[in-house]
Amino acid sequence: AQSVTQLDSHVSVSEGTPVLLRCNYSSSYSPSLFWYVQHPNKGLQLLLKYTSAATLVKGINGFEAEFKKSETSFHLTKPSAHMSDAAEYFCVVSEPTGGFKTIFGAGTRLFVKA
Amino acid sequence: GAVVSQHPSWVICKSGTSVKIECRSLDFQATTMFWYRQFPKQSLMLMATSNEGSKATYEQGVEKDKFLINHASLTLSTLTVTSAHPEDSSFYICSAPTRYEQYFGPGTRLTVT
Repeated sequence: AQSVTQLDSHVSVSEGTPVLLRCNYSSSYSPSLFWYVQHPNKGLQLLLKYTSAATLVKGINGFEAEFKKSETSFHLTKPSAHMSDAAEYFCVVSEPTGGFKTIFGAGTRLFVKA
Repeated sequence: GAVVSQHPSWVICKSGTSVKIECRSLDFQATTMFWYRQFPKQSLMLMATSNEGSKATYEQGVEKDKFLINHASLTLSTLTVTSAHPEDSSFYICSAPTRYEQYFGPGTRLTVT
């Protein structure tokens, strides 16, 4: 069975500084991994996805994530935070079984200070 | 990309009544769809897997008689919250997978008074 752990419930950064949101996963298969963002009272938006191609994945809005199999990690980074990045971020794992059953991490709330 | 819609986007109902939420894949077919529930400031919790042409598969702790799921066609799944109570108030989100990606609906906010 798959699982996903987001190591920080909240992260606070200053505008213009780097962002690091940490995610570890476990899976019995070769999983697909995703990062989603959810702004307050809004739906989910896909930031990026890893599906066994390049280990460094670039997403929208300057975000990227690196898949490290040896560390079972898929951390999300951005070189320079913007105020509009303040939101809830979910790391998600999906296995090619059970119709691509998808499990969400607990979420990390990103705060961006001016 | 693929689009998944949900209807209604929000609903208020009285305690004891039933509410139906629809999830549609607009430009692709989905033999499987998923239903999630999200309480305020919490993550999405998978409730059940909706299977076209067969019974839904429920996650542990989810009452199948309370949350009725019907996957009527390859583009439509419905979730009916029966005899709703205030504790059922939540944000319900559906998703439909393609080969490597889940497409999520915008969610339905249910408030039970």
